Amino acid sequence: AQSVAQPEDQVNVAEGNPLTVKCTYSVSGNPYLFWYVQYPNRGLQFLLKYITGDNLVKGSYGFEAEFNKSQTSFHLKKPSALVSDSALYFCAVRAFDQAGTALIFGKGTTLSVSS
Amino acid sequence: KAGVTQTPRYLIKTRGQQVTLSCSPISGHRSVSWYQQTPGQGLQFLFEYFSETQRNKGNFPGRFSGRQFSNSRSEMNVSTLELGDSALYLCASSISGQSTDTQYFGPGTRLTVL
Repeated sequence: AQSVAQPEDQVNVAEGNPLTVKCTYSVSGNPYLFWYVQYPNRGLQFLLKYITGDNLVKGSYGFEAEFNKSQTSFHLKKPSALVSDSALYFCAVRAFDQAGTALIFGKGTTLSVSS
Repeated sequence: KAGVTQTPRYLIKTRGQQVTLSCSPISGHRSVSWYQQTPGQGLQFLFEYFSETQRNKGNFPGRFSGRQFSNSRSEMNVSTLELGDSALYLCASSISGQSTDTQYFGPGTRLTVL
């Protein structure tokens, strides 16, 4: 069965410092991996995805993520955090041989950036 | 291009009632998926429609149903509402329903069951 783990419920970082939000996954076969962000009372906004190719994926708002197949991880990173990055972040996975577009989501990580 | 729209944004119902939620995908997108978000269970996949056909279904009881129209708009219906159905219901659309597609989410419908 496919699954996603986000081991940290909350990540706290000071503005200007680098941030990392962790994600590990379990799928049979090659994974397709996604990061979304959710602001209060809003839907999910797409940040980036890994399908194949370069292990470092660049996305929206200065975010990037590194795919590591041996560690089955897909951590979200940003070199310099902004207070406006404070939100709920979700990692999601889909197996490449799975029909349709259903995503399996992690529980989410709340990012808090202090000024 | 307009994003995914969902109506209504907020609903309050009582136990035993039924409810219909609506989703309009991004223009040109043919796949629509529905998810339920609750504090306890997180984000859970309900079902996916592509070209008016249900292609995938999550682990939810038969009280949850949906459909897709020829213009790709979708509705989901929940019958005999239970307190546990209180949640944010999110609709997402993708262009062709391929597993590599990005899903774009609407703002959600907040359902409260009293």
